[in-house]
Amino acid sequence: AQSVTQPDARVTVSEGASLQLRCKYSYFGTPYLFWYVQYPRQGLQLLLKYYPGDPVVQGVNGFEAEFSKSNSSFHLRKASVHWSDWAVYFCAVSPLLLSGSFNKLTFGAGTRLAVCP
Amino acid sequence: EAAVTQSPRNKVAVTGGKVTLSCNQTNNHNNMYWYRQDTGHGLRLIHYSYGAGSTEKGDIPDGYKASRPSQENFSLILELATPSQTSVYFCASGDLTGAYAEQFFGPGTRLTVL
Repeated sequence: AQSVTQPDARVTVSEGASLQLRCKYSYFGTPYLFWYVQYPRQGLQLLLKYYPGDPVVQGVNGFEAEFSKSNSSFHLRKASVHWSDWAVYFCAVSPLLLSGSFNKLTFGAGTRLAVCP
Repeated sequence: EAAVTQSPRNKVAVTGGKVTLSCNQTNNHNNMYWYRQDTGHGLRLIHYSYGAGSTEKGDIPDGYKASRPSQENFSLILELATPSQTSVYFCASGDLTGAYAEQFFGPGTRLTVL
């Protein structure tokens, strides 16, 4: 069965500092991987997604993530954090499926990011 | 603009009462999902649907029913609400198109069962 672990429940960074949010996945085979962001009192929005190919994927608002099969990881990074990045970030995994199949997402518990001035 | 909407946005219910949460999508997606979000658990899948008339059990279906009367609408039903069902509920829609497996989420419904 697939699973996702986000080892850091809460991360605090200073505005302008760099950021890494960790994600470890468990899945036998090649997965789809996602990072979603949840701003206060809103639903989840997709930041970026990984499909087999280039291990570094670019997302919105300067976010990127790097897939590592050897480490079973998909860490999220940003070079310079802005106060508007204050949110909860979820990593998710889905099996690599054929078109038309059901795509079950398994989410991690989330990492709450706080940004200090 | 394609979107997923949920109603109500907030609901207070009494123990033993019936609660219906509604979801509407204009994405024309075949698949729809209901999740609940609890601190420390992320999002957990309750029920999902492949299309109108179909409902399937997710990972935590006990105490919940689902209904998909049309492509656009997917409801989550709590026949006998309990305080343990106090949570934030999210609806999502999504399809596999080629290699894509993205899901699009609604704004959530905050349910409190007293």
